[in-house]
Amino acid sequence: AQSVSQHNHHVILSEAASLELGCNYSYGGTVNLFWYVQYPGQHLQLLLKYFSGDPLVKGIKGFEAEFIKSKFSFNLRKPSVQWSDTAEYFCAFRRAGGYNKLIFGAGTRLAVHP
Amino acid sequence: DTEVTQTPKHLVMGMTNKKSLKCEQHMGHRAMYWYKQKAKKPPELMFVYSYEKLSINESVPSRFSPECPNSSLLNLHLHALQPEDSALYLCASSQDRSGKNTEAFFGQGTRLTVV
Repeated sequence: AQSVSQHNHHVILSEAASLELGCNYSYGGTVNLFWYVQYPGQHLQLLLKYFSGDPLVKGIKGFEAEFIKSKFSFNLRKPSVQWSDTAEYFCAFRRAGGYNKLIFGAGTRLAVHP
Repeated sequence: DTEVTQTPKHLVMGMTNKKSLKCEQHMGHRAMYWYKQKAKKPPELMFVYSYEKLSINESVPSRFSPECPNSSLLNLHLHALQPEDSALYLCASSQDRSGKNTEAFFGQGTRLTVV
């Protein structure tokens, strides 16, 4: 079955620390990959996406992610987090070219302390 | 306008009530979705409409009935729900599946409580 695994359910960091959130998907074909963020009380917002091309993608607010096809991974990174990055982060994927069924990971709850 | 608007924001309903959730987008997207999100869980797909036709039903109970009256509107009709149906219901839209940039845009959701 197609699925997404996010390895960290809760992450606590101090401001200025570096962040890396792991994401692995299970599907052998071509995929579209996404990271969404949900700030407290707000709707899901797209952080970044990968469809094709350069496997290192840059998103909003200084986030980036790297697609490593051989590892079925799409890890999210940020060199220096801020208190305002406190949120829940969801990795998601979809089979490329098919119906737009997004499959979400369980989410990682990030808390950044000043 | 890159918004997906959902109404109402909060809804409390009894198990014998009939209510509807509404979703609207004006981005020209031809695919629209309903997701259900329980507390501390990821969103789970319920339905997909593509060009106003139902294309995916993820084995959702018939007490949830979707409707797509036109390309901008998506409704979810609720009848005889159970307390375990209490959740955040999210609407999303995207360009149709043949488009290159088909990320989904999400609304703020309707927080539904069934009593």
